[in-house]
Amino acid sequence: AQSVTQPDIHITVSEGASLELRCNYSYGATPYLFWYVQSPGQGLQLLLKYFSGDTLVQGIKGFEAEFKRSQSSFNLRKPSVHWSDAAEYFCAVAGGGNKLTFGTGTQLKVEL
Amino acid sequence: DVKVTQSSRYLVKRTGEKVFLECVQDMDHENMFWYRQDPGLGLRLIYFSYDVKMKEKGDIPEGYSVSREKKERFSLILESASTNQTSMYLCASSRQDAKNIQYFGAGTRLSVL
Repeated sequence: AQSVTQPDIHITVSEGASLELRCNYSYGATPYLFWYVQSPGQGLQLLLKYFSGDTLVQGIKGFEAEFKRSQSSFNLRKPSVHWSDAAEYFCAVAGGGNKLTFGTGTQLKVEL
Repeated sequence: DVKVTQSSRYLVKRTGEKVFLECVQDMDHENMFWYRQDPGLGLRLIYFSYDVKMKEKGDIPEGYSVSREKKERFSLILESASTNQTSMYLCASSRQDAKNIQYFGAGTRLSVL
């Protein structure tokens, strides 16, 4: 069965600093990988996705993620964080069928 | 843009009540999903449906049922609400051939007293 681990429950960064959120997955083959963001009181919005090909994928709001098969990771990065990026971030994996398996989320706080 | 609409943002119910959470999508998606979200647990799949009148259990179906009579609408039913069902409920939809890209509603925060 597929699984996702987000080892950081909370992360605090200063506005303008760089950001990296970690995601590790478990799946036998190459999975489809996703990052979603959830602003307070809202549903989830897709930030970016990886299906195949180039391992560095670009998303919305200046985010990018890199798929590393050897490390079973799909970390999310942003070079310069804005206060509006404060939210909860979820990594998800689709290993087959129609279902997604989500990580437990990382809460990002941005200090001004 | 894909729109997934959940009928209520906030709902307060009493223990033992029958509760209906409604979800409508406007993009003719085949797949629809119900998740529950709890702090520290992420999103857990309750039920999903890949066609009208079809349903499959997710990871935590106990205490819930679903109904999909029309393609655009997917209802989550709590037959007899209990306090441990107090949670945020999220509905999502996706196309059958869309590589699992799911689109989410804004969520319903349910409190069972």
